[in-house]
Amino acid sequence: EAGVAQSPRYKIIEKRQSVAFWCNPISGHATLYWYQQILGQGPKLLIQFQNNGVVDDSQLPKDRFSAERLKGVDSTLKIQPAKLEDSAVYLCASSLETGLGYTFGSGTRLTVV
Amino acid sequence: QKEVEQDPGPLSVPEGAIVSLNCTYSNSAFQYFMWYRQYSRKGPELLMYTYSSGNKEDGRFTAQVDKSSKYISLFIRDSQPSDSATYLCAIRGGNNRLAFGKGNQVVVIP
Repeated sequence: EAGVAQSPRYKIIEKRQSVAFWCNPISGHATLYWYQQILGQGPKLLIQFQNNGVVDDSQLPKDRFSAERLKGVDSTLKIQPAKLEDSAVYLCASSLETGLGYTFGSGTRLTVV
Repeated sequence: QKEVEQDPGPLSVPEGAIVSLNCTYSNSAFQYFMWYRQYSRKGPELLMYTYSSGNKEDGRFTAQVDKSSKYISLFIRDSQPSDSATYLCAIRGGNNRLAFGKGNQVVVIP
């Protein structure tokens, strides 16, 4: 079974620039999650989709972060403009509606300089 | 108060030792408790999960939950160098959202 695919693996940008991350979940997984993991901390949920609808975006900094999941499959997470404190690993995960099969991708490591 | 507290200190042990990790959580409504293992530059992978108080064993790994104290533990017996990783406790809340502790970096020295 193919896992959760994310790209790019690494990204370095200057502050105030924009950046986008892409995620392709496991086939058949209705639920998709984006987590932010700052160095030395556990992952923190940013946004959760059920098919192409948003279930929870309470911890998404909406003034600079946006996410979409068109057609209920792939998803993109965008940051515009980036700040130094956005340096982190952005993890995508997917699961069945029940929560079973919860699987993380390898993440995109973002460095903002 | 954070949902999950995990003392993030690193841990170095000799091969064959028992590794003991623990977390506390604040919301007694949480029903599912997990331990994830994260290797460097990889995403977390589920190691064990449980939903009731007591012990659950899987090979060299034992997960323990005490709901009365809101305390969860992970024990690794006969630790191996391949166990060197960061271990994250997590609890599953509403909508299957996971709340993670900060993680413990474990190094098993051959």
